[in-house]
Amino acid sequence: EVQLVESGGGLVQPGGSLRLSCAASGFTFSDHYMDWVRQAPGKGLEWVGRTRNKANSYTTEYAASVKGRFTISRDDSENSLYLQMNSLKTEDTAVYYCARSPGSGWFDYWGQGTLVTVSS
Amino acid sequence: SYELTQPLSVSVALGQTARITCGGNNIGSKNVHWYQQKPGQAPVLVIYRDSNRPSGIPERFSGSNSGNTATLTISRAQAGDEADYYCQVWDGSTPYVFGTGTKVTVL
Repeated sequence: EVQLVESGGGLVQPGGSLRLSCAASGFTFSDHYMDWVRQAPGKGLEWVGRTRNKANSYTTEYAASVKGRFTISRDDSENSLYLQMNSLKTEDTAVYYCARSPGSGWFDYWGQGTLVTVSS
Repeated sequence: SYELTQPLSVSVALGQTARITCGGNNIGSKNVHWYQQKPGQAPVLVIYRDSNRPSGIPERFSGSNSGNTATLTISRAQAGDEADYYCQVWDGSTPYVFGTGTKVTVL
């Protein structure tokens, strides 16, 4: 059974940093692209960024709203995905989901999400 | 950037058919995917590549895509189908774009 479990969310002040983790199990993690998607309270879904697999050189892409502030990485030996968030803004407040992508444009499995609150 | 527009809400009587639209410029040329999200839960993929159902998704869920509109159809609606539904496409410039979301209410 595919499982994705996020952790690391919490309350952080504007300008601060936070690192989210996503532990994957039930599938060959190293074969897959992995993404982060967020959802502000009461709002819709927003793609944050992705990391491709080893076969595609672990290249990353980011949404314009987070580019230069957020960094996605992965550790295939630990079946883990990470999201380093720096220079956080109040508008980054959201539930952050990790999601598996077959690499063909959709997300077939999602984690349960972790809440990040940016507030003074 | 590419935009996807959905109705804010759709109501359907129990056992009847609900149709949720997703509008976008020439969306028929793209692959459209649909997610169901119940309150407090993560999204679940219900349709991929316009009309394909993942394993475990009831046949009551179907999709179509043509011209400027993609449609998710829920047949024989059940109380458990109450949720928010989002369409999504891959667009090279963004690259992932989600629709604005539709709240489905089963009466």
